Amino acid sequence: QSVVTQSPSASGTPGQRVPISCSGSSSNIGSNYVYWYQQLPGTAPKLLIHRDDQRPSGVPDRFSGSKSGTSASLAISGLRPEDEADYYCAAWDDSLNGPIFGTGTKVTVL
Amino acid sequence: VQLVESGGGLVQPGGSLRLSCAASGFTFSSYWMTWVRQAPGKGLEWVANINQDGSDKYYVDSVKGRFTISRDNAKNLLYLQMNSLRVEDTAVYYCARDIVPDPWGQGTLVTVSS
Repeated sequence: QSVVTQSPSASGTPGQRVPISCSGSSSNIGSNYVYWYQQLPGTAPKLLIHRDDQRPSGVPDRFSGSKSGTSASLAISGLRPEDEADYYCAAWDDSLNGPIFGTGTKVTVL
Repeated sequence: VQLVESGGGLVQPGGSLRLSCAASGFTFSSYWMTWVRQAPGKGLEWVANINQDGSDKYYVDSVKGRFTISRDNAKNLLYLQMNSLRVEDTAVYYCARDIVPDPWGQGTLVTVSS
């Protein structure tokens, strides 16, 4: 069964750069685009990055995505208090015929 | 774009519920649609998706044979019929546009408990 793994938590002080990693396999990240979602407390997830490194309109350029092989990463530059949220990576999984979500990373602003 | 789920509630193990998702602000019949769930305090899990005319449907293994996704393009409605519910199906259920979910509705809570 496919699994996409993220580190459970990450933190930083305002203004810092915080990286979030996402590790998958050849059936998902290795062969399909990666997407990143931000879930603020008590709300539905919101798309932050699509097609590995593309920001939808309205998403600040403080958020950037990248991918290499079967891993991907999201970086938050110039961390702000309102960035405190859960972040999920996702990718289409060829064996599921559906998207597989990462385990999620909770970002705390110290 | 707006997606509004309804139909959640408390149900006993073995029971059934039908969730609905009302879509507006886009051409519903042109998009795949997806259901995703989130158990309390847990991460996101894809549940099912359906293509534009309802002829292709896919499910996560844990719900196969118990859940059925469907749609009514004339009414801009997406459904999830959930039968033989288990305690582990307890979650907020979100509907979302497209096979890579975006955007999402606000979710509806399904609680399976005796």
